[in-house]
Amino acid sequence: GQNIDQPTEMTATEGAIVQINCTYQTSGFNGLFWYQQHAGEAPTFLSYNVLDGLEEKGRFSSFLSRSKGYSYLLLKELQMKDSASYLCAVILNAGNNRKLIWGLGTSLAVNP
Amino acid sequence: DTEVTQTPKHLVMGMTNKKSLKCEQHMGHRAMYWYKQKAKKPPELMFVYSYEKLSINESVPSRFSPECPNSSLLNLHLHALQPEDSALYLCASSQIPGTGGYEQYFGPGTRLTVT
Repeated sequence: GQNIDQPTEMTATEGAIVQINCTYQTSGFNGLFWYQQHAGEAPTFLSYNVLDGLEEKGRFSSFLSRSKGYSYLLLKELQMKDSASYLCAVILNAGNNRKLIWGLGTSLAVNP
Repeated sequence: DTEVTQTPKHLVMGMTNKKSLKCEQHMGHRAMYWYKQKAKKPPELMFVYSYEKLSINESVPSRFSPECPNSSLLNLHLHALQPEDSALYLCASSQIPGTGGYEQYFGPGTRLTVT
């Protein structure tokens, strides 16, 4: 079976750093996405990791360890607008098809 | 242009109605997707089209009928829906594996209410 685990909720303070973890057990792995989703809106792509290591993009960084089935999203200098749900998704590839297995999402609340 | 557009934004329909959701992208993506999302849940894959051909149907009931008229358009035809089908319907597109980036770009969604 396919399983992706993320914490359900997290709280942090404006200006701080927060790390959202994601662990996965899947049959096959072709990369991992992090998406941000504000309430009532569509998911927005944040990052993609397929090799081990850290990918940095501005205030957001994402890390992957394939041997441990583990990823995290690091958000620095938190802003109020970062309050959203953060979704971890693993890519299962089958030929020309691409299927994502999604975690349930982590709801992040940034407080002043 | 990294935009995926969807119409309508909101739709209320009765259980005997027939309606269609529309999705359009002009990024040259040859993979397009329909997702269903309930509140506080992740997106749930319904269909995948690759090169305008249906490649994945996640055992979706036949009251949902997808159509891909060309490489830029994706429709979802709805007929005889149930109240439990009320949800946010998201369209997404991406490049085909091995031909470029892997990320899926999502449209803003259609909020569907079945009465």
